[in-house]
Amino acid sequence: ENVLTQSPGTLSLSPGERATLSCRASQSVSSSDLAWYQQKPGQAPRLLIYGASTRATGIPDRFSGSGSGTDFTLTISSLQADDCGTYYCHQYRISPWTFGQGTKVEIK
Amino acid sequence: EVQLVESGGGLVQPGGSLRLSCAASGFTFSHYWMIWVRQAPGKGLEWVANMNQDGSKKYYVDSVKGRFTISRDNAKNSLYLQMNSLRDEDTAVYRCARSGQQAAYDYWGQGTLVTVSS
Repeated sequence: ENVLTQSPGTLSLSPGERATLSCRASQSVSSSDLAWYQQKPGQAPRLLIYGASTRATGIPDRFSGSGSGTDFTLTISSLQADDCGTYYCHQYRISPWTFGQGTKVEIK
Repeated sequence: EVQLVESGGGLVQPGGSLRLSCAASGFTFSHYWMIWVRQAPGKGLEWVANMNQDGSKKYYVDSVKGRFTISRDNAKNSLYLQMNSLRDEDTAVYRCARSGQQAAYDYWGQGTLVTVSS
């Protein structure tokens, strides 16, 4: 099983600041098979990034993804109040498909 | 507009069974892999099972193998999850999702809550 470990567990930043979220895999992941999701309380997850770096439809360009191999990053260039929530990375090519444990982003 | 709507959740005793349904609309259901993902209260996301377009390929997380069965009816645009021998640890919100954008999960339902308790 490819275990995805996200850090930090919680990120507390002010509006306008840059947020950097990390996802480390226990085994190499093809860049085409890594996604990021945002989830707000009581809501379904929303796809932000797929293929490690491609923004999904309708996702603002302040969200960007990068990385390869075992280390991937989601960056929010200028945090907005609406960006609060929990962010999950996900590898989706090889069974068992796995998610990271999540990074909670709080806005000060 | 793509919509996925789950139903069938509820309270069940340990050892009991439930059948979840996911009604899909707004896209050609038979063209997509479909997935079940669950989320225990206050916890993260866990992939449960998925299935290819014609149902010939099915995959399960180890913890549900032999107990859960994923299926689909393309004529009815519906996905199902038959859950047997339910355990306390199966308590979660169960959501269906579509595998779309380069196989990532691009649309999700709001979920149905399954509570396993005596």
